[in-house]
Amino acid sequence: AQSVTQPDIHITVSEGASLELRCNYSYGATPYLFWYVQSPGQGLQLLLKYFSGDTLVQGIKGFEAEFKRSQSSFNLRKPSVHWSDAAEYFCAVGTKSYIPTFGRGTSLIVHP
Amino acid sequence: IAGITQAPTSQILAAGRRMTLRCTQDMRHNAMYWYRQDLGLGLRLIHYSNTAGTTGKGEVPDGYSVSRANTDDFPLTLASAVPSQTSVYFCASRAQGRSTDTQYFGPGTRLTVL
Repeated sequence: AQSVTQPDIHITVSEGASLELRCNYSYGATPYLFWYVQSPGQGLQLLLKYFSGDTLVQGIKGFEAEFKRSQSSFNLRKPSVHWSDAAEYFCAVGTKSYIPTFGRGTSLIVHP
Repeated sequence: IAGITQAPTSQILAAGRRMTLRCTQDMRHNAMYWYRQDLGLGLRLIHYSNTAGTTGKGEVPDGYSVSRANTDDFPLTLASAVPSQTSVYFCASRAQGRSTDTQYFGPGTRLTVL
């Protein structure tokens, strides 16, 4: 069975600083990989996804993620964080049967 | 287009009571899912349905049941609620297709069982 690890429970950055949120997965074959964002009191919104092809994936709101098979990672990055990016971020891995597994989430705190 | 709607938005329920959380989507997606979200545990899959008329168990199905009589609706029922079922419940549906395979989430139902 697949699994996802988000090693950072909380990340604090200053507004304008760069951001990297870590995600490691465990799955025997090529996975489908996703990043979602959840603002307080809201549902989850898809930021980006990787299925195949180019390992650097561009998403919405200026986010990108890079699939590194050798490291079983799919880290999320943003070059300059805005205060509105403060939210909970979830990495997820899916398989061909598409029953995705979610990580426990990373809470992003943005200081002015 | 509403996407996915969930009702109620929130509910306080006495233990032992029966409760049905409603989920409706207007995107004609075949697959639908129910998750619960608890602090520090992320989202855990309760039940899913790949198409109308079929359902399957997820990671934490005990105490919950679902039905899928048609494409649009996927209700989740707690037959006899217990305090450990206090959680935020999210319904999701999936757009299928190799390049578009994506889950869409509803706004959630916050359930408190006392």
